[in-house]
Amino acid sequence: AQSVTQLDSQVPVFEEAPVELRCNYSSSVSVYLFWYVQYPNQGLQLLLKYLSGSTLVKGINGFEAEFNKSQTSFHLRKPSVHISDTAEYFCAVRATGGGNKLTFGTGTQLKVEL
Amino acid sequence: DGGITQSPKYLFRKEGQNVTLSCEQNLNHDAMYWYRQDPGQGLRLIYYSQIVNDFQKGDIAEGYSVSREKKESFPLTVTSAQKNPTAFYLCASSTTGGSDSSPLHFGNGTRLTVT
Repeated sequence: AQSVTQLDSQVPVFEEAPVELRCNYSSSVSVYLFWYVQYPNQGLQLLLKYLSGSTLVKGINGFEAEFNKSQTSFHLRKPSVHISDTAEYFCAVRATGGGNKLTFGTGTQLKVEL
Repeated sequence: DGGITQSPKYLFRKEGQNVTLSCEQNLNHDAMYWYRQDPGQGLRLIYYSQIVNDFQKGDIAEGYSVSREKKESFPLTVTSAQKNPTAFYLCASSTTGGSDSSPLHFGNGTRLTVT
């Protein structure tokens, strides 16, 4: 089974500052990793995904994430945030080679302030 | 445009009543899913279906039921046996039901309140 830990439930940051949202996972097999964003009262949108290859993955809205196998992490970063980035961010993991289950973390609320 | 439609957006029911949440997709996806979202708990999988006329229980299936009679539709019934039904329910779909890298596409959710 897989599990995902998002240690930070809330991250406040000023506009134009950099931000990192942390995600650690646990799995006995290889995994695919995903970051989703959720705006209030909406569904989730895919930000980016790591499948294989380059460990630095670029997504939409200027976000990127780095897969670190030795630390079992997949932290999300953005060099300069905007007010419109205020949302909840979810990290998710799925085992390769079998199974539909996408396991989500508990989410991190990013609040961008002026 | 292709997408997933969940209706209604808000739903209110009295305790003891069954209620059915609608989910329709026109993405031609084989797999469909139901998640429940509660504050501070992330998303938890209720049921999923890889193909028409087949579905499997997720992590928290008790008190819920589903059907998959058509590829486009995956309704969720919240029964009176569900002890804590008030939540935000999200439907999703993906291109295959198998083990691949396809991401989930989500609807905009239904917020169910039971009093």
